[in-house]
Amino acid sequence: DAKTTQPTSMDCAEGRAANLPCNHSTISGNEYVYWYRQIHSQGPQYIIHGLKNNETNEMASLIITEDRKSSTLILPHATLRDTAVYYCIVILGQGAQKLVFGQGTRLTINP
Amino acid sequence: DVKVTQSSRYLVKRTGEKVFLECVQDMDHENMFWYRQDPGLGLRLIYFSYDVKMKEKGDIPEGYSVSREKKERFSLILESASTNQTSMYLCASSLWDVKETQYFGPGTRLLVL
Repeated sequence: DAKTTQPTSMDCAEGRAANLPCNHSTISGNEYVYWYRQIHSQGPQYIIHGLKNNETNEMASLIITEDRKSSTLILPHATLRDTAVYYCIVILGQGAQKLVFGQGTRLTINP
Repeated sequence: DVKVTQSSRYLVKRTGEKVFLECVQDMDHENMFWYRQDPGLGLRLIYFSYDVKMKEKGDIPEGYSVSREKKERFSLILESASTNQTSMYLCASSLWDVKETQYFGPGTRLLVL
């Protein structure tokens, strides 16, 4: 699976959009971009995933660049409960078994 | 919403005890997983199961066993707990053909004294 690079930490004001970047320059054509987050002392939570097209669900939007070498997770109206570590992973679809998280981005939402 | 529950949030056991961690999911998922998470080591897969009575070793199965007698339930067993098994244990489940979209339980923080 391709390696990802994320900033170690970010801050965002409550009510603003939080934009979390992820670089995955070695991604291959059949690898998906997945985002999970982990709130302190809880289990990881699936957020969203995509292959080529931008995706949106009730939690977030995922913007993938045309060359697929980077992506951005957008939380449109961040709340204090969005404070968590966010993990971007690139993973082969339809067969991968385990999830391997890197260091992730520690996002702090400030009141 | 998918719900994955784990039998305990916190557990304290003594060295040598047999420990049972239970996980139940309510979404009829075929796949279930047990991970442990340690600071600096990230998430590591212990075992996973893709069907009732089926199991596959993950990266660190030593010292653990699992049981899946019913589709919704996946148990992790520490046959003889040791202090190096002090960790956060996370259970997850997924659909058969979407293994990457895993839904996690709240975790069990196990302390072995």
